[in-house]
Amino acid sequence: KAGVTQTPRYLIKTRGQQVTLSCSPISGHRSVSWYQQTPGQGLQFLFEYFSETQRNKGNFPGRFSGRQFSNSRSEMNVSTLELGDSALYLCASSPDPNNEQFFGPGTRLTVL
Amino acid sequence: GNSVTQMEGPVTLSEEAFLTINCTYTATGYPSLFWYVQYPGEGLQLLLKATKADDKGSNKGFEATYRKETTSFHLEKGSVQVSDSAVYFCALSPPGANSKLTFGKGITLSVRP
Repeated sequence: KAGVTQTPRYLIKTRGQQVTLSCSPISGHRSVSWYQQTPGQGLQFLFEYFSETQRNKGNFPGRFSGRQFSNSRSEMNVSTLELGDSALYLCASSPDPNNEQFFGPGTRLTVL
Repeated sequence: GNSVTQMEGPVTLSEEAFLTINCTYTATGYPSLFWYVQYPGEGLQLLLKATKADDKGSNKGFEATYRKETTSFHLEKGSVQVSDSAVYFCALSPPGANSKLTFGKGITLSVRP
């Protein structure tokens, strides 16, 4: 069974631009969560989607948004990028919100 | 709110040494507790978990016991190997919401041959 895949793996953007990251969960998994990992703040929960509905949201500004499609694939979008948005963005999937999460390799975003 | 505190790192050990990584938490109710490991260039992998007080999670020689009275979930391994070198994260989730994890800062473990 293929694992969680995230695209792209690496991304370089400049301040003010917007970016879209994609996550394909493990087949059959309907819950997708996103996390931001930075050296200073560590791993922080962004949001969680289940059956195309956002169930939980972390403490991030409105520039961070996401969605989930009917095939459970998820995207997150960051608008008006800031230098501090440089991070590794991790996606995790699980069959449902009460089960173990499986993490993807992440997308490393660099904002210049 | 919920929080997880891990001991400061990094930690460097010789092969076959005993490992303890401390983790304490603050949460309401009875959260589930986890240890995740991150190898260089990879995502997180679940190492072990415990869902209620006094539960012991174990995997690959690692163990951790859910201590409600001390709000702790310390990770231990009797004999570390070079291949255990990685970053270790302690985490918790609210009851019934395993997909909303709160992580500790993580600690880097380096094991010397």
